[in-house]
Amino acid sequence: NAGVTQTPKFRILKIGQSMTLQCTQDMNHNYMYWYRQDPGMGLKLIYYSVGAGITDKGEVPNGYNVSRSTTEDFPLRLELAAPSQTSVYFCASSLTGDSEAFFGQGTRLTVV
Amino acid sequence: DAKTTQPTSMDCAEGRAANLPCNHSTISGNEYVYWYRQIHSQGPQYIIHGLKNNETNEMASLIITEDRKSSTLILPHATLRDTAVYYCIVRVARRGGKLIFGQGTELSVKP
Repeated sequence: NAGVTQTPKFRILKIGQSMTLQCTQDMNHNYMYWYRQDPGMGLKLIYYSVGAGITDKGEVPNGYNVSRSTTEDFPLRLELAAPSQTSVYFCASSLTGDSEAFFGQGTRLTVV
Repeated sequence: DAKTTQPTSMDCAEGRAANLPCNHSTISGNEYVYWYRQIHSQGPQYIIHGLKNNETNEMASLIITEDRKSSTLILPHATLRDTAVYYCIVRVARRGGKLIFGQGTELSVKP
């Protein structure tokens, strides 16, 4: 099993550009999560999903969109990149709402 | 969601036990206590979790007070590789199982 895979690992965007951060897991997990982590801070929940076709907002959803068309994939979309979205983004998954969550290695995004 | 309070930083001597406290005085009956750690800005790593009883695994032990308002994570023989930020999290399975991270405790294990 590869676990949780995030692509790309690094990306530089210009203000106003859009991009999609990819997240896929091969553990057949129902629950998936997107977090962002600013320097020196804890992780903040952006969006989460409890199964295919179901998504919900977390603590900091503004400026982002998600979709969950399959169990395996949970892409995060930035439509109009802003410097405030410069951060490290982590995707995670868990089988249930009370089982161990596995995290990907992160995507480091810089918006200039 | 219940909040957690942890010390900002702690030091521990290599080979000694590291005891990391966490306060979660507003925890509800169906909320679990989870511990994760993050090394060098890598993805967080699961350590242990519990509801009421004390728990132990190959990495650590979790001691939860009888009133469940606080807990302690114990790393029995800390090594330099245990230097990391440790997060104590209260999690509710029925509300999407969201893991809401606080600031965590930065543990430095020193030779």
